[in-house]
Amino acid sequence: NAGVTQTPKFQVLKTGQSMTLQCAQDMNHEYMSWYRQDPGMGLRLIHYSVGAGITDQGEVPNGYNVSRSTTEDFPLRLLSAAPSQTSVYFCASNKGLDTGELFFGEGSRLTVL
Amino acid sequence: AQSVTQPDIHITVSEGASLELRCNYSYGATPYLFWYVQSPGQGLQLLLKYFSGDTLVQGIKGFEAEFKRSQSSFNLRKPSVHWSDAAEYFCAVGGGSYIPTFGRGTSLIVHP
Repeated sequence: NAGVTQTPKFQVLKTGQSMTLQCAQDMNHEYMSWYRQDPGMGLRLIHYSVGAGITDQGEVPNGYNVSRSTTEDFPLRLLSAAPSQTSVYFCASNKGLDTGELFFGEGSRLTVL
Repeated sequence: AQSVTQPDIHITVSEGASLELRCNYSYGATPYLFWYVQSPGQGLQLLLKYFSGDTLVQGIKGFEAEFKRSQSSFNLRKPSVHWSDAAEYFCAVGGGSYIPTFGRGTSLIVHP
């Protein structure tokens, strides 16, 4: 059972570079989301999607783009990386918001120099 | 707006001792409440959840939590802690169409 798969697990970027964090789930979940985790800040929602073709902003969306062309995939794009985006990123999915439990990937640790 | 407060950043207990992690929430309706655990270098795993019904809920790994509406609390408990319980614990609140909101987490340290 793959569940939620994130790639890459580690990435180092220079300021101004762009990259995409990949997220895929094989559970046919409608809801997918991206969080960032910083020390002492818990998890903060970046973007989320309630289904293919539908995305919306979370608490900290600036500097990030997302798209949802399929139910399975929800990539997170950093267009011009900044040191403030150094963080651990988690993708999560859920069958539907009213069912509660989020299933998380193992995380992607990003360092921006 | 919904919010979650975990007042303890760090908790240290001895192995075999009991544990209680605190969680207070703010929510406009009947909340869905969750506790997740994060082991080092891992993603989050659901320990237990409360939607409705019995206010004392049982979870995995011997954990339980009690929903107290009058106190807006959902504290996590375990009667006897094992060294493998050392991890970060997150309380979350959500419900219906509301995106889950997470607390800042409590780091559990277990002394042998």
